[in-house]
Parts: sequence; structure tokens; C-alpha cells
Amino acid sequence: SQQGEEDPQALSIQEGENATMNCSYKTSINNLQWYRQNSGRGLVHLILIRSNEREKHSGRLRVTLDTSKKSSSLLITASRAADTASYFCATSPGSNYKLTFGKGTLLTVNP
Amino acid sequence: EADIYQTPRYLVIGTGKKITLECSQTMGHDKMYWYQQDPGMELHLIHYSYGVNSTEKGDLSSESTVSRIRTEHFPLTLESARPSHTSQYLCASSDSAIATNEKLFFGSGTQLSVL
Repeated sequence: SQQGEEDPQALSIQEGENATMNCSYKTSINNLQWYRQNSGRGLVHLILIRSNEREKHSGRLRVTLDTSKKSSSLLITASRAADTASYFCATSPGSNYKLTFGKGTLLTVNP
Repeated sequence: EADIYQTPRYLVIGTGKKITLECSQTMGHDKMYWYQQDPGMELHLIHYSYGVNSTEKGDLSSESTVSRIRTEHFPLTLESARPSHTSQYLCASSDSAIATNEKLFFGSGTQLSVL
């Protein structure tokens, strides 16, 4: 079974609103990463947060990590139609570089 | 922008054919991966390589095979394609020389349809 699991499965919002996606995982991790996938394309790395970090920012992205609850959230502020994509969390349990992905959250931003 | 390329982008073939999906990267990364993804589903790791002449099976059993004769090239082969192999195949690479940066770079994927 997958290590990471995103919630919600799908999210539809209006342009300018904030979008929050959550990720829960099962085992201890070395780091957690978020990726974006446009329809029918490969994944693009967004942000990486390490197990000893609690919050990280990158442009309009804000990621939090709560290792006690084994969960992470991705916040996209002031969303744009171009943010429409699937968002995946991926966890690395150790230093073996093998990432495990969740099923993703499909975000639709309506103009 | 990632310098990792997959060909073909789309492939429709008949059952029983042998196929090879190409993946090349120009970043000099030592680690390369193949993931399989069905629509709306998670990615499953089917093969990975930590360097030349190193290949390992991933978490999801696959009838495909891979080779790593050159650092930049990591092709995936199906000896006899079946409809159950219909899926998107994503190739990725990472650079273990950068210990603090373990992110993956992905190609655009190959959408395989076996009739």
C-alpha cells in the first residue's frame, strides 16, 4: 500500500482563492516532497521538507510537516488557472532515494 | 527545466510485440528510476539503478526489464507486450552527489497502449 495518501482526492476553487492539500504517511521519514503533474505529463518537483523542519515557503507555496501526526499540508495562496494540476506528496523513509508517492489531489482552479 | 527525455511520447502496438521505451538524461545523474502510473492513481516504482551496470526491481512487480550500460541511458524493454501493460511509464533521475538535494527530475512520460 502507498506510503503517502493525499486528501482531498479532488478540489475545485476559484482563481484568487487559497488551496490546501493534505498528506498522511505511515512510517518514519527522512524527508517529504511535493510534486505537481499537469495532465498527461511528467512530475515537477515543488518543494522538499526535511523531518527536522516544521514549515517551509517557496513563492506562493507553504508546506508544513507534523511528524508526530505523520502528516503534511501544502498551501497554494492566490491560486491561478495555471495551478490546475494533480499534486502528489512523496516520502523518503531513509537515504536510499526511493520515493513512494500517494494517489494525488486533483486541483482545478476556475478562472 | 529538466534535461531528461523519453521517447516515444505515445505508443500503440499489438499484443505480443517487443518494445523498448527510451530514457536519456544529460545531467550526469547517477540514479535513474522507472515508475508506472495508471490514470488517477499513484506512481509505482518498477525499476531503479544507482549507476552503470546496477539495476534493481522496484516495489511493483513488472514483466519489463531494464539495462544501464551508460550513465545517461536507462531503457525499459517488454519482450512480449500484453493489454495489461497499458499504462503511462515515467522515467526519472536524481543526483546523489548532492546529499541535501534528493529531488527527482521526471521525463514527460510514454503512454503505452497495447491492443
